[in-house]
Amino acid sequence: DQQVKQNSPSLSVQEGRISILNCDYTNSMFDYFLWYKKYPAEGPTFLISISSIKDKNEDGRFTVFLNKSAKHLSLHIVPSQPGDSAVYFCAASELLGAQKLVFGQGTRLTINP
Amino acid sequence: DVKVTQSSRYLVKRTGEKVFLECVQDMDHENMFWYRQDPGLGLRLIYFSYDVKMKEKGDIPEGYSVSREKKERFSLILESASTNQTSMYLCASSSQGGGVDEQYFGPGTRLTVT
Repeated sequence: DQQVKQNSPSLSVQEGRISILNCDYTNSMFDYFLWYKKYPAEGPTFLISISSIKDKNEDGRFTVFLNKSAKHLSLHIVPSQPGDSAVYFCAASELLGAQKLVFGQGTRLTINP
Repeated sequence: DVKVTQSSRYLVKRTGEKVFLECVQDMDHENMFWYRQDPGLGLRLIYFSYDVKMKEKGDIPEGYSVSREKKERFSLILESASTNQTSMYLCASSSQGGGVDEQYFGPGTRLTVT
């Protein structure tokens, strides 16, 4: 049972345009969400997070939006740059407990020059 | 900078062999995790540990065991490797803060079982 789902395996975006990556979750106990970025042959690196008390968090070109009622979050990258080409994973956790993260399947983002 | 290192980048083992994957972190983190990454399935948690000698099963513990004798080191053991354990294995660590802290990942070990 996939509790965190990224339904788009891949996404291709023109350089300079906006990239929007989506993530849905089913477990209503999740209250903290993270996005990770992974390049080939490297481990994932943390990108941005949001807690359930917020609906938006920004960090430079990256913004994460959370819609709790829809159990949906999205990552916006604007403007997209070639170095953003990577696999993006969303992850979710409960604030209380052992800090386990549940990951989605990942979306491969390709930024075309 | 947090550094998580894994003993091997690539490993090829035969079916039935006992396999040890080692992970070391240098930031005095309390929590350590082992995941496997497979295409279309994302990262799935195998085992985690929140203290020395403590371990808890993740979502897919079958066929694996772990050992944490020292705070900085977390080992994943495949007691008898099988072909369906061919995968990318990722180790991570995080601190035991008041909330959910980001996890820091090692570069991964690509294990092939033939």
